[in-house]
Amino acid sequence: DGGITQSPKYLFRKEGQNVTLSCEQNLNHDAMYWYRQDPGQGLRLIYYSQIVNDFQKGDIAEGYSVSREKKESFPLTVTSAQKNPTAFYLCASSKFRDRTNNEQFFGPGTRLTVL
Amino acid sequence: GQNIDQPTEMTATEGAIVQINCTYQTSGFNGLFWYQQHAGEAPTFLSYNVLDGLEEKGRFSSFLSRSKGYSYLLLKELQMKDSASYLCAVRARYGQNFVFGPGTRLSVLP
Repeated sequence: DGGITQSPKYLFRKEGQNVTLSCEQNLNHDAMYWYRQDPGQGLRLIYYSQIVNDFQKGDIAEGYSVSREKKESFPLTVTSAQKNPTAFYLCASSKFRDRTNNEQFFGPGTRLTVL
Repeated sequence: GQNIDQPTEMTATEGAIVQINCTYQTSGFNGLFWYQQHAGEAPTFLSYNVLDGLEEKGRFSSFLSRSKGYSYLLLKELQMKDSASYLCAVRARYGQNFVFGPGTRLSVLP
């Protein structure tokens, strides 16, 4: 079955440590996205990528980094520079970013807690 | 700037009909999406509107008025499993990414 996987589901990190969240898709989608969701709030875009080896900053990129070395994979690193990293992180993908009716498919999410 | 508003919470009774509104102000418009999100889970796609009017999909319908910057999601014959958050998202311009609203948390009571 095709889909998006994120691991781990729950992640705990000590303050000052970097941590990498995994996102893999086998839907053959070109575009991939990372969002952050805080309690009672909508999704905020961190980074997105249209094609391999290319990515752009979203609205809240500070303190995060990404890579897109393979079409299937778009890992997100939460660095120690991110002031308030505790949140629910969602990865998504879509067929073509520039097609208006291409909805996004979401992974199950990773809940990151900084201790 | 871009802004999307939705009511924070709504309550309805099993079997009833509920309408969740979404108003948006964006620099352009190129499609509106509705997603359902159960607590602690990923959002799932419900509907898409780009032209004015009503789109129907089983128990769910979505309406769009571009001149008013307004959309609603209509849920009929409510079931307990419909208790979830409903997210409205707008694509402001061709090739741009989505802007999500804060979501409306719907509680369906027996």
